[in-house]
Amino acid sequence: QVQLVESGGGVVQPGRSLRLSCVASGFTFSNYAMHWVRQAPGRWPEWVAFISVDGGNYYYADSVRGRFTIARDNFKNTLSLQMNSLRPEDAATYYCVREARSDFYRSHFDHWGQGALVTVSS
Amino acid sequence: DIQMTQSPSTLSASVGDRVTITCRASQSLTNWLAWYQQKPGKAPRLLIYKASILEGGVPSRFSGSGSGTEFTLTISSLQPDDFATYYCQEYNGPWTFGQGTKVEIK
Repeated sequence: QVQLVESGGGVVQPGRSLRLSCVASGFTFSNYAMHWVRQAPGRWPEWVAFISVDGGNYYYADSVRGRFTIARDNFKNTLSLQMNSLRPEDAATYYCVREARSDFYRSHFDHWGQGALVTVSS
Repeated sequence: DIQMTQSPSTLSASVGDRVTITCRASQSLTNWLAWYQQKPGKAPRLLIYKASILEGGVPSRFSGSGSGTEFTLTISSLQPDDFATYYCQEYNGPWTFGQGTKVEIK
């Protein structure tokens, strides 16, 4: 079965960095585009970043562009999110998410990890 | 950016009720819309995609309809396991989610 397991969450001071990782199993990782989605407490999910199947294309939400970097290693079946210059408003649960395969240029999200909690506080 | 507006934000209902949630987009999505269910402390779960296609394993009491800018999620007969928060999501643009509809026990 499809499994996405995030790690790397924790408490970090404003301005510092944190790196999240996601290990994928149960499917051919290199065949799927992947995303990071975050959800602050009591809020709705917010898309953060996208990476294409080969890692050659990536997009970011305006709120994180220039500070966050998404990457993947198709040999190790891992997805990562390097988060720099963290702000209090970046505090959230971060989900590793698989995008369903589709003939359209974008698709919905068919599998989510359990999430990694990031707290930004001094 | 595309704005997604769900209504109502909270819905009180009883087991067996028919429940309808509406999602409106600020621009046409054709039918590139998904619905998710989320329970406290859990990740969202895909229910419906392409506005009306039921994801495998999702009970048939869930259905979706609509196109363009207006969409609905209907639960034909609410069950105890359905009390949760529901989100719509567009994927014609930057994967924007609605603000959610919490279905609570009346």
